[in-house]
Amino acid sequence: DTEVTQTPKHLVMGMTNKKSLKCEQHMGHRAMYWYKQKAKKPPELMFVYSYEKLSINESVPSRFSPECPNSSLLNLHLHALQPEDSALYLCASSQELGTATNEKLFFGSGTQLSVL
Amino acid sequence: GNSVTQMEGPVTLSEEAFLTINCTYTATGYPSLFWYVQYPGEGLQLLLKATKADDKGSNKGFEATYRKETTSFHLEKGSVQVSDSAVYFCALKGGQNFVFGPGTRLSVLP
Repeated sequence: DTEVTQTPKHLVMGMTNKKSLKCEQHMGHRAMYWYKQKAKKPPELMFVYSYEKLSINESVPSRFSPECPNSSLLNLHLHALQPEDSALYLCASSQELGTATNEKLFFGSGTQLSVL
Repeated sequence: GNSVTQMEGPVTLSEEAFLTINCTYTATGYPSLFWYVQYPGEGLQLLLKATKADDKGSNKGFEATYRKETTSFHLEKGSVQVSDSAVYFCALKGGQNFVFGPGTRLSVLP
């Protein structure tokens, strides 16, 4: 199994809603990532978990709250979002978070989020 | 810091044409280099990679060679197909972090 599975594929929410994005992988990877991608732009790193601990937080607003319940699952909790947060949210995983030069990222298909 | 620059798109080609997408990078040390492809409505998929100077990555008819002297990793394909229409991202990994280029949109017309 070489897949990263994300749900839901599409999400529309109001600015007062609370919702969660989910990500799952069964490749035994110990590093998991959240990226945000605006239209016609490259992915921007938001958070990285390594061995279920938050390792990198790229100064993301607190209305985004990540959670890693176990080594296979990664959630992104959303609360009080703004319309400018509308984007494709991508989950990714890699074997480790380290300096090995042969590391590569495996991406899910993403959740297309619209905030009204 | 590390950065990746790609040629401006969009690139529009006819089927069976030759493709080159230029990529240059700035990095300290010896990064690994990657090409990722993103089809409409999907996440990024690894297309090919190279981990050291003069390595050639190849997959599905695409090739790229790690050129340390010119800090480049240009993507090439001899004969593109309509199904190759997508956005192509050049990326590097130096240390822990991956850095992506801005992406180049390719449209292949029948």
